[in-house]
Amino acid sequence: GAGVSQSPSNKVTEKGKDVELRCDPISGHTALYWYRQSLGQGLEFLIYFQGNSAPDKSGLPSDRFSAERTGGSVSTLTIQRTQQEDSAVYLCASSYLGGTPGEQFFGPGTRLTVL
Amino acid sequence: AQKVTQAQTEISVVEKEDVTLDCVYETRDTTYYLFWYKQPPSGELVFLIRRNSFDEQNEISGRYSWNFQKSTSSFNFTITASQVVDSAVYFCALREGSGAGSYQLTFGKGTKLSVIP
Repeated sequence: GAGVSQSPSNKVTEKGKDVELRCDPISGHTALYWYRQSLGQGLEFLIYFQGNSAPDKSGLPSDRFSAERTGGSVSTLTIQRTQQEDSAVYLCASSYLGGTPGEQFFGPGTRLTVL
Repeated sequence: AQKVTQAQTEISVVEKEDVTLDCVYETRDTTYYLFWYKQPPSGELVFLIRRNSFDEQNEISGRYSWNFQKSTSSFNFTITASQVVDSAVYFCALREGSGAGSYQLTFGKGTKLSVIP
């Protein structure tokens, strides 16, 4: 009965390095979302995956950000050449679109600190 | 474009007081969904409630109640007899539309509630 899990829980990196953040959605959930929570900006949508459809990347802030979802399950958010403004908590959520619209279950987040 | 405004950045109340968290939204869609999430100090967002645009009936769940008014585009959240465990950041969110492509949540910036014993 696991919920959404994310790893690592904390990541400290140096400016310019690449980082990968992982999300394991709830089993059976077809939709997966990434959000970013930063001070002063609240929660911002980044990207959405639904089944085998092309992902909606409209929320990604720059081309340094990318994400993939393998086998319709685990997702990885990659940030290349990290900048200090990338420091934030990255939240993953999943939902079952066959159920009630929009109810998303969130993971605990990955706190990214770029030095 | 959709927008959610939570004008109250921080609220402090003494335990057992009632408190209302305000949420005002903007959308051009006639079909939409409104949500409240709670984010305790542990950080994980917890779903509290969802309302759809066709159902303006207010809802009460224990000490929590929600007042949805389309005429003022508001979806306010009241905690009665607040407790220290209610201390958290509360987010109001909006999801537009009813089709498969309508999916992302637009969040307000949150209201930090501190309940003082």
